[in-house]
Amino acid sequence: GQQLNQSPQSMFIQEGEDVSMNCTSSSIFNTWLWYKQDPGEGPVLLIALYKAGELTSNGRLTAQFGITRKDSFLNISASIPSDVGIYFCAGQRSNFGNEKLTFGTGTRLTIIP
Amino acid sequence: GAVVSQHPSWVICKSGTSVKIECRSLDFQATTMFWYRQFPKQSLMLMATSNEGSKATYEQGVEKDKFLINHASLTLSTLTVTSAHPEDSSFYICSARRHQNTEAFFGQGTRLTVV
Repeated sequence: GQQLNQSPQSMFIQEGEDVSMNCTSSSIFNTWLWYKQDPGEGPVLLIALYKAGELTSNGRLTAQFGITRKDSFLNISASIPSDVGIYFCAGQRSNFGNEKLTFGTGTRLTIIP
Repeated sequence: GAVVSQHPSWVICKSGTSVKIECRSLDFQATTMFWYRQFPKQSLMLMATSNEGSKATYEQGVEKDKFLINHASLTLSTLTVTSAHPEDSSFYICSARRHQNTEAFFGQGTRLTVV
């Protein structure tokens, strides 16, 4: 099935650094979601975006819904050890309850001591 | 937030046997649940959409007779891996969504190992 392209695939940063990652699609999505997955766990929702151009924050996390509706960005400021994990974007074409999510390829974040 | 619970968290089974995985929405009714499979270091791939009271919708390439899905109530969906083989070993994750709510909440996943 289709997957969204996420970049970078992996990041190695030092604690306190800011992080940026993005997600692109060849087709339009009307909802963009960002999830974080810890090893052996299911994804946890971080931020949901519902309108093109929308910029939403959740603590140190900020995400934007691209104007073209074909991309989204996630920024993490002042990273801390618990930010380590895999971040997935997900797109949804409509807001109907049974609409499926299409997931990105993931960005693995590692903090170098 | 909403809570979705999977059981078991992990299971080891012999080749040829069947394994059932449960997905429950604990504090809301879910008319739609989704089942994903995730191989190591890969993303989540949707297997099927489970609709309460009706047949599941399977994604292309997913064998419906091998991965049986039952959504008999608004709070429970089950995935049964029939005649399991080692290549079925994977991390299986369900998600549930409140009716008309766009946010999907995920279970903690089930690690299946077939030996």
